[in-house]
Amino acid sequence: EVQLVESGGVVVQPGGSLRLSCAASGFTFDDYTMHWVRQAPGKGLEWVSLISWDGGSTYYADSVKGRFTISRDNSKNSLYLQMNSLRTEDTALYYCAKDDGGATTVTTRYYFDYWGQGTLVTVSS
Amino acid sequence: QSALTQPASVSGSPGQSITISCTGTSSDVGSYNLVSWYQQHPGKAPKLMIYEGSKRPSGVSNRFSGSKSGNTASLTISGLQAEDEADYYCCSYAGSSTFGVVFGGGTKLTVL
Repeated sequence: EVQLVESGGVVVQPGGSLRLSCAASGFTFDDYTMHWVRQAPGKGLEWVSLISWDGGSTYYADSVKGRFTISRDNSKNSLYLQMNSLRTEDTALYYCAKDDGGATTVTTRYYFDYWGQGTLVTVSS
Repeated sequence: QSALTQPASVSGSPGQSITISCTGTSSDVGSYNLVSWYQQHPGKAPKLMIYEGSKRPSGVSNRFSGSKSGNTASLTISGLQAEDEADYYCCSYAGSSTFGVVFGGGTKLTVL
């Protein structure tokens, strides 16, 4: 059974930093592209970032570019999101999501077949 | 990158069919067969319902179908059931603007 478990969400002040983690199990982690997607309270979904199966390619939404860094440790089956210079508008539930593409398909497939339950980040003074 | 455009709400009675539209541009929806749809019940994580425009994952009811015409994708739910009441989001590859994806604003489906 595929499981994605996020952690690290807390209350942080504007300008602060935070690192989110996502522990993956139930599939060959290093075969797949992974994403972070967020959802502000009462709002819709917003794609944040993706990382290729080998970590060699990373992409970001304009709203977080230059402030957030996605990474992965395939030896630990873990995905990370380093969040710096946090703003109040970064307040959201952050989901880790598995792409159905990666090493075996050669390409990212840009859809999310499994999601975690999310970790809540609140940016407030 | 602008969000895709979905109606804020749609409704239908049990047994009826409804369609949710998702309008993008020639840079995203119109250029790629990479539209997916997600169902989200309150307090739950999203669930994949349709991928690559019209494909259904294993375990998703065949009452759910997807299509695309030009820059607009659509999700049709036939034989509406009470448990279909949820928020629905479309998503598309965004092309070279971000090399990521863009979501629609979401549509609240109410089963009357």
